[in-house]
Amino acid sequence: EDKVVQSPLSLVVHEGDTVTLNCSYEVTNFRSLLWYKQEKKAPTFLFMLTSSGIEKKSGRLSSILDKKELSSILNITATQTGDSAIYLCAVGNDMRFGAGTRLTVKP
Amino acid sequence: GAGVSQTPSNKVTEKGKYVELRCDPISGHTALYWYRQSLGQGPEFLIYFQGTGAADDSGLPNDRFFAVRPEGSVSTLKIQRTERGDSAVYLCASSLAGTAYEQYFGPGTRLTVT
Repeated sequence: EDKVVQSPLSLVVHEGDTVTLNCSYEVTNFRSLLWYKQEKKAPTFLFMLTSSGIEKKSGRLSSILDKKELSSILNITATQTGDSAIYLCAVGNDMRFGAGTRLTVKP
Repeated sequence: GAGVSQTPSNKVTEKGKYVELRCDPISGHTALYWYRQSLGQGPEFLIYFQGTGAADDSGLPNDRFFAVRPEGSVSTLKIQRTERGDSAVYLCASSLAGTAYEQYFGPGTRLTVT
């Protein structure tokens, strides 16, 4: 059965810290891995990864895929309180989501 | 531009009743997805439309759940004989052409079955 596992489930840091969130997957038909940020209601798109080893970057956020290890990481540097959210990853044709990592950034 | 919209934003219904949830995707997006999200969980895939047809409905939990997209734009998720376990936030997303493209999510409909 396809599965997507995110770790840690929750994380509390202070402003300025750097965090690394993990997503590992086992899916029968991999096409892409997507990262989303969910604050109140709708998840908002962050990154789509299809190729191994190529880092995608947007401001303080970056992500990379490792197809050999069947995993991806999402890095956030110099965290701010506005980064507090649930970070979701989704994989596969049927967009299977992990349970998410709840990040809390304290001032 | 307009994003994905969903109506109603909240729906409270009694056990056993029928409900319809509506999703208006971004104009021009041919792919449309329905998800269900319970507290503390990631979104759970229900069904994916490409145009008017359901390309993948493997996530529908049982035959009480049905979705349509008759003209390839607006979609309606229909739940018959609702049960308390159906209470969740129902999210809709659309993408340009399919699963190779990023999805844009609507704000969701919070369904509460009493």
